[in-house]
Amino acid sequence: QMTLKESGPTLVKPTQTLTLTCTFSGFSLSTSGVGVGWIRQPPGKALEWLALIYWDGDKRYSPSLKNRLTITKDTSKNQVVLTMTNLDPVDTATYYCAHRPDASGFHYWGQGTLVTVSS
Amino acid sequence: QSVLTQPPSVSGAPGQRVTISCTGSSSNIGAGYDVHWYQQLPGTAPTLLIYGNNNRPSGVPDRFSGSKSGTSASLAITGLQAEDEADYYCQSYDRSLSGYVFGTGTKVTVL
Repeated sequence: QMTLKESGPTLVKPTQTLTLTCTFSGFSLSTSGVGVGWIRQPPGKALEWLALIYWDGDKRYSPSLKNRLTITKDTSKNQVVLTMTNLDPVDTATYYCAHRPDASGFHYWGQGTLVTVSS
Repeated sequence: QSVLTQPPSVSGAPGQRVTISCTGSSSNIGAGYDVHWYQQLPGTAPTLLIYGNNNRPSGVPDRFSGSKSGTSASLAITGLQAEDEADYYCQSYDRSLSGYVFGTGTKVTVL
């Protein structure tokens, strides 16, 4: 059974850096074709893809947020970490991590974690 | 700034058939990239509903079906049920952006 769970702060001040951790089980990020991505959803709004890291270490970022995002993986710990710098209130959202087994979409999602950016 | 456009809402009576369109461009759907669909029930995380344009994961009822043509894709729900009331999102890959894209989302209401 594949599970993912996001963890990190629930409240962040403007201009601060956000670090979110996705801890997963049931699959390995060293398996060919596998990726773990981050997606966010502001309250009442649509899903927005942020970043993805592949089994071979390749990384992809949303062009609109590329300068603020860093995604890394620790295969031995079954974790993927997303860092976002210079937070703004518009970054308030539920942040999800999701498992991409191959080119067939995001098959498994974490429950999400709500991050509020406010002073 | 979603690059995949969906109607904001669709509705239907129980038992009816509804369809949701997902309009892209030549850099995503039209470039041959697969379209996937997600269902998001109120207050929960999205779940995969259709992958690879028209494939259902195990456990998804065959009332849900997907199709793709040109620069667009569609999700059809036949025999609409009360539990289908949710938000639905399409998703693909965009070669110009070198990244993944989601649709604007569609709220399905069962009358």
